[in-house]
Amino acid sequence: AQSVTQLGSHVSVSEGALVLLRCNYSSSVPPYLFWYVQYPNQGLQLLLKYTSAATLVKGINGFEAEFKKSETSFHLTKPSAHMSDAAEYFCAVSDAGNMLTFGGGTRLMVKP
Amino acid sequence: DSGVTQTPKHLITATGQRVTLRCSPRSGDLSVYWYQQSLDQGLQFLIQYYNGEERAKGNILERFSAQQFPDLHSELNLSSLELGDSALYFCASSVGGRADTPFGEQFFGPGTRLTVL
Repeated sequence: AQSVTQLGSHVSVSEGALVLLRCNYSSSVPPYLFWYVQYPNQGLQLLLKYTSAATLVKGINGFEAEFKKSETSFHLTKPSAHMSDAAEYFCAVSDAGNMLTFGGGTRLMVKP
Repeated sequence: DSGVTQTPKHLITATGQRVTLRCSPRSGDLSVYWYQQSLDQGLQFLIQYYNGEERAKGNILERFSAQQFPDLHSELNLSSLELGDSALYFCASSVGGRADTPFGEQFFGPGTRLTVL
C-alpha cells in the first residue's frame, strides 16, 4: 500500500528565505509523485510531478523537487519565498494506477 | 481556473438528510474522481469513474454513492448525513484513467463545502 508523510504541518519562513517542505513516501513499485498547492478557499493546483524521467523536477512559480529513491523522499524547495507563496502544500503519490494518496499537508506561512 | 466546475459551492443541511453534489469535468476529460477533505481525515480518495463506469473505489461509505452520466458530468450522493460528514468535497478530472500515466494528471475543481448541523 502506498502512503505519504509530510514532516511539519506548519512551516514558517521569512520573505526571501529558502522554502523546504518535506515529503517521504512508501510505495511497492516505482511511483508517480506530485506536489499540489491549495490557496485559501480554492481547489488544488498542480505544482509539479515526477514521472520517472529526470529526478530533479521543475514546477510552476519557481518551485522544484528532487526525487531520491534511496531516501524515499520528494522534498519541495524554492530558493526565495514570496508572500504569495503562503498556502497549504500537499504531496501525493500514485502507484496503484487510479488514485492519489495525499499526505497530511503543510501550511506555509511567509513573514514579511 | 482548472476548467472543472462544482456546484453548489456551499451546502448546509441537517443530520439524516440527503444531498447531491455535482461536478462537470474539463472538456475532453473522461475520468472523474471524488475526494473528501476534512480536518481529521485529511484528503481522501472516494471514488473514480471513467467514461461512465466505476473504475476505482477508495474510502467511500456505503451511505455515499456516485455516478457519471453520458455527458460525463458526475454526481456524488450523500445520504443519512451525519455531523462527521461535514467536509470539503473535491472533484477532479483527467483525460486518462490512471494517475500514473502522462494522461492521468488530475485537475481539481474548487470544491463543495458541506456543513451538516
